[in-house]
Amino acid sequence: DAKTTQPTSMDCAEGRAANLPCNHSTISGNEYVYWYRQIHSQGPQYIIHGLKNNETNEMASLIITEDRKSSTLILPHATLRDTAVYYCIVRVVDTDKLIFGTGTRLQVFP
Amino acid sequence: EAEVAQSPRYKITEKSQAVAFWCDPISGHATLYWYRQILGQGPELLVQFQDESVVDDSQLPKDRFSAERLKGVDSTLKIQPAELGDSAMYLCASSPDRGYGYTFGSGTRLTVV
Repeated sequence: DAKTTQPTSMDCAEGRAANLPCNHSTISGNEYVYWYRQIHSQGPQYIIHGLKNNETNEMASLIITEDRKSSTLILPHATLRDTAVYYCIVRVVDTDKLIFGTGTRLQVFP
Repeated sequence: EAEVAQSPRYKITEKSQAVAFWCDPISGHATLYWYRQILGQGPELLVQFQDESVVDDSQLPKDRFSAERLKGVDSTLKIQPAELGDSAMYLCASSPDRGYGYTFGSGTRLTVV
C-alpha cells in the first residue's frame, strides 16, 4: 500500500491560508489522494479528494504535483474552527480501504 | 444532513466484562466500516461489511471481537472479554457503495478499568 508522510504539526494565523503538505512518492497511477480532518473527540470528516488534477470545493483546494508524488491541501482563510488533525490518505482502490496515518495537527491561532 | 448514528457515546467497563457498540449507517448505504482509534493515533480499520456480508475482517482480533450486520442495515461490534488495551474510540463509517467517500459517526469512547 502506498504510504503518506505528513509533518506532525503546523501553526497558522487566523485569516491566513493554511498549506498542509503530504508526500506519497509510492502512489500508483490508479490511486486517489483523500484528505480528512478530525476535530477533537469527533469522527473524521471528508474534505476533498483527487486523482491528478487540482480540485477545489467549498472547504478547500487540493494541489497535486504533476508526478503525483506529493500534494498540498489549502485552507484559503483559516479560522479557529479549522484547528484539527488533518489526514492525507492514499485510497487503495481494489480493496476500498482508507488507511489512516498519524496526520498533521493544525493549530490555528488568533 | 444525514448522519451515521452511534451509541453509546461513552462507555466505561471493567476488564473481563462484555461490551457492545451499535451503529446505524446512513439510509441506503451498502458499505459499513468499524474503525478503532487509540489516543494519539489515526483510525485503524477493524472490519468492513458489504450489505450483510463481511468483506474484510483481517485486522479484527477474532478471539475477543465480533461484528455483525444481520439485515444489512445497522451493525453491532462486541468485545468479550474486554481488556485494558481495548480502551479507545470506536468509529463507524458508511458509504453508498465501494469507491465512494465515507461518512463517519461521532464514535463510542470506551474506557476499560
